[in-house]
Amino acid sequence: GEDVEQSLFLSVREGDSSVINCTYTDSSSTYLYWYKQEPGAGLQLLTYIFSNMDMKQDQRLTVLLNKKDKHLSLRIADTQTGDSAIYFCARRGYQKVTFGTGTKLQVIP
Amino acid sequence: EAQVTQNPRYLITVTGKKLTVTCSQNMNHEYMSWYRQDPGLGLRQIYYSMNVEVTDKGDVPEGYKVSRKEKRNFPLILESPSPNQTSLYFCASRPTGDPSGYTFGSGTRLTVV
Repeated sequence: GEDVEQSLFLSVREGDSSVINCTYTDSSSTYLYWYKQEPGAGLQLLTYIFSNMDMKQDQRLTVLLNKKDKHLSLRIADTQTGDSAIYFCARRGYQKVTFGTGTKLQVIP
Repeated sequence: EAQVTQNPRYLITVTGKKLTVTCSQNMNHEYMSWYRQDPGLGLRQIYYSMNVEVTDKGDVPEGYKVSRKEKRNFPLILESPSPNQTSLYFCASRPTGDPSGYTFGSGTRLTVV
């Protein structure tokens, strides 16, 4: 199967770290992605990781990949109110990209 | 500016009246795709195209058609819309064989009454 699952909601205080989790079932993924969707907008690519990597850091974003457990996470350091959005993880197989259900991040000032 | 352009942004229509949502990209991407977004279900792929004249079904193709006569355009056609096709639709494109992800359009919110 190609299921990609995420929890639906996460609430954090401004300045704290946010960790958004994602699990997937298909181990044939080539790349895994994190997208951000702000209200009324399309999805914007945040970062991606190749399936043979364990970690990738890009400024405030850290992506961790546990291939054994098929678990992907996105850590946002020093979370700001502008980070409030829906975050989607996605996996790329041979011909298609499958998205998770999205996690709505609420940042409390 | 590199972008994917969808039109219209909002559309209200009646059951059974054929409609087309247009999608155009200016990045010379080979791969284009249509998704629908519904609450609690995330994005589900409707159709995709790997290049001109090459299209294939995604996970939820029923009730939709597409065509890819030119590289830049990938219209989504609803021959006889029904209320269960009320949704937020996104067109996206990416280069083939490149790890970079999709570039998404701004979305089309369709309501079928």
